[in-house]
Amino acid sequence: NAGVMQNPRHLVRRRGQEARLRCSPMKGHSHVYWYRQLPEEGLKFMVYLQKENIIDESGMPKERFSAEFPKEGPSILRIQQVVRGDSAAYFCASSDQFVKNTEAFFGQGTRLTVV
Amino acid sequence: AQTVTQSQPEMSVQEAETVTLSCTYDTSENNYYLFWYKQPPSRQMILVIRQEAYKQQNATENRFSVNFQKAAKSFSLKISDSQLGDTAMYFCAFRSGAGSYQLTFGKGTKLSVIP
Repeated sequence: NAGVMQNPRHLVRRRGQEARLRCSPMKGHSHVYWYRQLPEEGLKFMVYLQKENIIDESGMPKERFSAEFPKEGPSILRIQQVVRGDSAAYFCASSDQFVKNTEAFFGQGTRLTVV
Repeated sequence: AQTVTQSQPEMSVQEAETVTLSCTYDTSENNYYLFWYKQPPSRQMILVIRQEAYKQQNATENRFSVNFQKAAKSFSLKISDSQLGDTAMYFCAFRSGAGSYQLTFGKGTKLSVIP
């Protein structure tokens, strides 16, 4: 059973470009959580999605950031018109039910560098 | 809002020795979960150990154990018989028990195991 898969592992974008980060949850998991890790910081919650629904996006910047988890395919975190401050590691986690009663498993993250 | 504080940015330990990493947190809740995650250079976030606040017994996983002091809001991690593979960033994390899914992380402690 493959773990949470994130790709790409590393992504370099010039200022103003778009970044698309993908997360394939563990098999059978329908809950996905995105976290951002700025340099020298712990992970911070961004958004929680279930299939086709955004449940909580309270941690996501209001502009330029969006997330989706379609019925088929991976969850996508999209950052439009990237700026240097978006440089960070972005982690995805998934769980097979509401995480209160189980654990969320993390992927290896995508390191975004904006040049 | 909950906060998690790790006051030791870096620590080192000799191989085979014991080391304790500190974590304090702030919450007004009575029911919650605490975690220690390990992040090796590969960047994978790995769950090391978990503690439920309503359980008085300290959690143990092989060489890893915690000292959970609920009244003091302290949750330290003890690593016994340290191994080179324990070299990593260690993050303490909090999750509310009241139907929450968000993890709140500390800034981490960088542990180096010296041969």
